[in-house]
Parts: sequence; structure tokens; C-alpha cells
Amino acid sequence: SYELTQPPSVSVSPGQTARITCSGDALPKKYAYWYQQKSGQAPVLVIYEDSKRPSGIPERFSGSSSGTMATLTISGAQVEDEADYYCYSTDSSGNHRGVFGTGTKVTVL
Amino acid sequence: EVQLVESGGGLIQPGGSLRLSCAASGFTVSSNYMSWVRQAPGKGLEWVSVIYSGGSTYYADSVKGRFTISRDNSKNTLYLQMNSLRAEDTAVYYCARTPSGSRDYYFDYWGQGTLVTVSS
Repeated sequence: SYELTQPPSVSVSPGQTARITCSGDALPKKYAYWYQQKSGQAPVLVIYEDSKRPSGIPERFSGSSSGTMATLTISGAQVEDEADYYCYSTDSSGNHRGVFGTGTKVTVL
Repeated sequence: EVQLVESGGGLIQPGGSLRLSCAASGFTVSSNYMSWVRQAPGKGLEWVSVIYSGGSTYYADSVKGRFTISRDNSKNTLYLQMNSLRAEDTAVYYCARTPSGSRDYYFDYWGQGTLVTVSS
């Protein structure tokens, strides 16, 4: 089955840049999406179609994708950005299945 | 305003059945792709199932043959019928919407989730 792989954790100091990667064989053909999930809350979409930012999401969140890797960048991380982040995509094999990445815990300290 | 409100979770014995509901407001369920996503305690997100606006349905291998996604257009409500439940189905279940006209299916709005606990 299709998998999206993320690093388990990323640590960043306030005001610095955090980068979270997502690796998947189908990413050259499929969009990547990114979700932020704070403790006890439902996920929130922060990036869609590789690099687009929904309204209301701060400009410090950006996305990119190249080859088999997508990247979420938090430029000037804030304490409130501490959360779990998940990439998401769909399987390119035609089975219409969604796949979430393994998740990355971002710590801002 | 778009809202999704799940209900129907609870404690159920292994082998039992449960039906989850997701009441939608602010948009029409039948005009959007709608999905269920779950999260086991302390674990990551897992996509479970999707129903397309045309009615086609798809499932994760882990639930195929046991779970059924459906919708009631008159009630603007999404459902997940879960049969033959196992301990590993214990999770918070979220319903989620894909924006209409999207070239792909992803989730722009989520419900608050409903907890399903499978245990004897």
C-alpha cells in the first residue's frame, strides 16, 4: 500500500525556520496537502495543492514539492505553531484512496 | 457557515455494530465529496472512506467489507455503518468535506470528531 513518510519530530527556536518533509513515490503526479493538528482538536488545512495557502492561514506557512518530496516550511515559527503536522495525498494507482503521512511533532522552544 | 457535527460514537463490544452520523450545514452534502478519517488514541490520522458526489464509494483496506459509507440527501447527513468491530477500530472518527470543484479530494472542513471505543 502507498505510504507517505515524515520525520517524527522537528524542533525550532521561536523566530527560526522549520522545515517538514514528506516523501512519497506518487508525489510527482499527485498534489500534497498539509494539516496542522493541535492537542485535542480537529486537523486544520494549512497548505493545499502543494503550495497554496487557505484564507486565514498566516503567510509564514508555505509549501513546495519537487520529485518525490513535498516540504512544509514555517518561516519565523511562533510558539502557537507547536503542533502535529500531517501531509496528505491520494494514491495514484487508481484505487481512489487517501493517504496521510506518518506525522511530525513540531516543538517550538 | 460550514459546520459538520458527528454523533453516534460510544462503547461497543468486539463484533458489534455502530452507525456514525455527520450532520452538515452551510452546504449540500450531495454536491461534495465526503470522507471519514479516524485517529486511534495517541496515533496519526488514517483515511477510512470517501463517497463521491456521484455516489461512488471507496474504502481503506483495513475496513473494506465491514464499513459502509452513505448519505441521506434529504437530511443533508453523512453516515458510516460499522460492522464486525474490532479493538483496533477504537479511534476518534472525523467526517470531512472536500471543496466542490476540486481537482483532487482533500479536506477543507472537519467535524469535531466522535469517539468509538471497542472493548469488552
